Amino acid sequence: QVQVVQSGTEMRKPGSSVKVSCKVSGGTFSLYAISWVREAPGQGLEWMGGITPIFGTTNYAQKFQGRFTITADGSTSTAYMELSSLKSEDTALYYCASGPFVNGSPGAFDYWGQGTLVTVSS
Amino acid sequence: EIVLTQSPGTLSLSPGERATLSCRASQSVSSNYLAWYQQKPGQAPRLLIYGASSRASDIPDRFSGSGSGTDFTLTISRLEPEDFAVYYCQQYGSSQGLTFGGGTKVEIK
Repeated sequence: QVQVVQSGTEMRKPGSSVKVSCKVSGGTFSLYAISWVREAPGQGLEWMGGITPIFGTTNYAQKFQGRFTITADGSTSTAYMELSSLKSEDTALYYCASGPFVNGSPGAFDYWGQGTLVTVSS
Repeated sequence: EIVLTQSPGTLSLSPGERATLSCRASQSVSSNYLAWYQQKPGQAPRLLIYGASSRASDIPDRFSGSGSGTDFTLTISRLEPEDFAVYYCQQYGSSQGLTFGGGTKVEIK
């Protein structure tokens, strides 16, 4: 059974950066695409971007291009997301989600992490 | 990007009733790459349907998905107490990236 485990709660000041990890176990890491999805307080789900490790390709939502980076380490089956120039509006629960890729980019998400709360406040 | 509009925003029903949730896309969804998720408070979303109509593993057959092109529907044939939650549609496989709809809350009447 595939398990997705994320790193813990983070608190940051505006203008700083945050890096969150996502470890996938119980499956073959290279066969999945990994995406990051955030849920701001009282809001819905928002796809931020994804990585397809077997191709080494990344896809980003236009809204986050320029300050959002996704990387993956196949040797540890771990993906990372880094968000820079943080604003208070980035306060949210950040989910890592994995599933098969479609047309070389993320498809539907079979497996989800537990979520990482990132709070941005001065 | 492809915008997904879900309706209604809230659906008030009683256990045992049928629920019909709509998801409309701003442009045609490639190869019907449309998924549905269920999310309960304090939990991560759970995949229900992919490819517009295929049930994910261990999903009860009271959940069904249909539609093509720009109009998709999630139907819950008879609501069980555990089905009261928020439901999201999502499109994938597009060169423009993935997007989620705004969600439909199914609440107990």
